[in-house]
Amino acid sequence: ETGVTQSPTHLIKTRGQQVTLRCSSQSGHNTVSWYQQALGQGPQFIFQYYREEENGRGNFPPRFSGLQFPNYSSELNVNALELDDSALYLCASSFPGTQETQYFGPGTRLLVL
Amino acid sequence: QQQVKQSPQSLIVQKGGISIINCAYENTAFDYFPWYQQFPGKGPALLIAIRPDVSEKKEGRFTISFNKSAKQFSLHIMDSQPGDSATYFCAAIHSGGGADGLTFGKGTHLIIQP
Repeated sequence: ETGVTQSPTHLIKTRGQQVTLRCSSQSGHNTVSWYQQALGQGPQFIFQYYREEENGRGNFPPRFSGLQFPNYSSELNVNALELDDSALYLCASSFPGTQETQYFGPGTRLLVL
Repeated sequence: QQQVKQSPQSLIVQKGGISIINCAYENTAFDYFPWYQQFPGKGPALLIAIRPDVSEKKEGRFTISFNKSAKQFSLHIMDSQPGDSATYFCAAIHSGGGADGLTFGKGTHLIIQP
C-alpha cells in the first residue's frame, strides 16, 4: 500500500504566474483535501474533492481551484500568483465515509518571487 | 469563528520526562480531535485522535486527555525521547458537517534534550 504522494517537491515561480500541483491519494482513499501551510503556522484548509467535485472550501479566493480525476488523484491550480502564496502545499486523503481521518503527503514547497 | 488555540508555542523537556501540549476550541460542533506530528521538510503525520464520547485515549507513550465541558484537550508524551523532537499540531473537525476541513492550532515546537 502506498501513501499520499505529491509532485513536484519544490517549485519557484514569479508573481503573476500560474502553478499546478499534483497529488496521488493513498490506495483506497476517495476524498482529497488541500491545505496551505505558511512558515511557522498550522495548515489552513483550501478545499476538498469527492467524486470529482469540490464539496467544501475554506477562506481562499477563486484563483485557487482544483480537479479530481476518476482514479482519485487531484490537482491544485493557483492563478495570478502573489508573494503571500509562498508556502508548503499539502494534500491529504481519506477513506470513504471517514473524511475526518486525513493522511497527509510530504507537500510541495512553493516559492513566489 | 472556528478556532483552535494551542499552547505552549515551544517546549523543552529532558529525556525521559513528560511532554504536555494543550489545546482549546470554541466550536461545539467539533467532534473529532486529532494530533499530528511534523518533522522539518515533511508533511504532518497522524499520531492519535479522540472523539468527545471518551475522556482519555492512550496509544503507546501518547495519551490524549479530553475535557468536553471546558472545551479543552491535551497531548501527553510519556518517557519523551530525542526522536520525539518535532512540531506537534492539534486539530479539530466537525465530521458530520460536510467538508469543512481540519482546523489546526498554530503548533508546538518540542525539543527533547538528551
